[in-house]
Amino acid sequence: SQQGEEDPQALSIQEGENATMNCSYKTSINNLQWYRQNSGRGLVHLILIRSNEREKHSGRLRVTLDTSKKSSSLLITASRAADTASYFCATRGSTLGRLYFGRGTQLTVWP
Amino acid sequence: GAGVSQSPRYKVAKRGQDVALRCDPISGHVSLFWYQQALGQGPEFLTYFQNEAQLDKSGLPSDRFFAERPEGSVSTLKIQRTQQEDSAVYLCASSLNRTPQRGEQFFGPGTRLTVL
Repeated sequence: SQQGEEDPQALSIQEGENATMNCSYKTSINNLQWYRQNSGRGLVHLILIRSNEREKHSGRLRVTLDTSKKSSSLLITASRAADTASYFCATRGSTLGRLYFGRGTQLTVWP
Repeated sequence: GAGVSQSPRYKVAKRGQDVALRCDPISGHVSLFWYQQALGQGPEFLTYFQNEAQLDKSGLPSDRFFAERPEGSVSTLKIQRTQQEDSAVYLCASSLNRTPQRGEQFFGPGTRLTVL
């Protein structure tokens, strides 16, 4: 079963707008990661936030983590058409590094 | 540098056939993972290797699924007597670290298996 759940399932915005995706999870985690998956390509790691961190930035990406609410958010600022993809959050517990993925958010950015 | 590669990229099998999916991890990566991704879903863990040792196979859905990594590099996922519910994208990922909790996983492009 999948531990993480993303919200919304689908998001459609115009270029230049910001996109926010949320992720909720169920058990304690070691860290939480966000991945992007384009059609025809594999999963690409975007950013990792550790359980003792609350916010992290990487370029146009901002990730927050609230362990008390077991939730995370991914913000993409000034979106581009090339950001169109599925975005997954993945949590990693203590057991041998396996990742637990959510169902993903399908983001469409219109030019 | 070369990333994780998988072959074939696409495989069509008749129900009941056996298939073998190959993963070439990044050279020197100790940890190797297999995931199954059904249409519209996120990847689900199948199995994990540290070098040649299969340390976790708790995600394999049935005894028709078998994975090996005999020399600690290339890995093969074998599915015997394929069923329609096996249709999915099979993703391989590798990680440099012996303790993969600390390392990023690098994913291959996947093999899309369609069972007719």
